[in-house]
Amino acid sequence: GENVEQHPSTLSVQEGDSAVIKCTYSDSASNYFPWYKQELGKGPQLIIDIRSNVGEKKDQRIAVTLNKTAKHFSLHITETQPEDSAVYFCAASTYDKVIFGPGTSLSVIP
Amino acid sequence: KAGVTQTPRYLIKTRGQQVTLSCSPISGHRSVSWYQQTPGQGLQFLFEYFSETQRNKGNFPGRFSGRQFSNSRSEMNVSTLELGDSALYLCASSVGTAQSEKLFFGSGTQLSVL
Repeated sequence: GENVEQHPSTLSVQEGDSAVIKCTYSDSASNYFPWYKQELGKGPQLIIDIRSNVGEKKDQRIAVTLNKTAKHFSLHITETQPEDSAVYFCAASTYDKVIFGPGTSLSVIP
Repeated sequence: KAGVTQTPRYLIKTRGQQVTLSCSPISGHRSVSWYQQTPGQGLQFLFEYFSETQRNKGNFPGRFSGRQFSNSRSEMNVSTLELGDSALYLCASSVGTAQSEKLFFGSGTQLSVL
C-alpha cells in the first residue's frame, strides 16, 4: 500500500544551526504535502505546506522543497532555536486520504 | 476563534470495557477526522465524517466506530477494549471534504487500557 518514509527519526543540532528532514512518498496521485509540529502534550500543528504545482515555499526560518519526479520533499529549518525542539511529521495527501510519515524528533541544544 | 476541543483529556479503562471520546471542531469546520497515535505506529487514520456521514475509513476493526452530529461535533467509540488500544486519540477538523486540506488537531485523549 501507499506509505511515506521520513528520515532521520531523531536529529540533534546546536542552536543556530540548520536542520533538514526528508520524506519520500509512494502515491503519485499525492498533491498536497503538509508538515506538522507536535510539542509534548499537544496535538500536531501545521507549520508549512506545499502543493504539487510549487517547487519551494518559505515562511521566515522554515522552508519546504518538493521534487515530484523523485517523490521527495524536505523541511528546512534555519537558525534553529530551543523552541523548535519537537516531533515533526510530514504527510502526503490525495483528495481522499492523507498518509503521515513516522515522525522526526528534533532536539535543539542551547 | 476556539480550537478543536477533545474530552476527556485522560481515560483509564480495563480490558473488555467500552469508551466514548468526544471532539468539538473549530466553528465553521464541517469535517472531522480521527487518528490513533502510538509510539510504534505513528499517526494512523481511523475515519472521517462530513455532514454526519462517514466519508472514509481506515484499516481498523469494527470495534472502532464513530458518528457526527448536526452541529459537526463528533464522537468515537471503542468497544471491547484491548491492551493494544492504549494510545493517544487525536481529532482533527477541516473546512471541507478533501483530505488535501489543512488539518487542525486537538490535544487528544490519552487512553490507557489496563
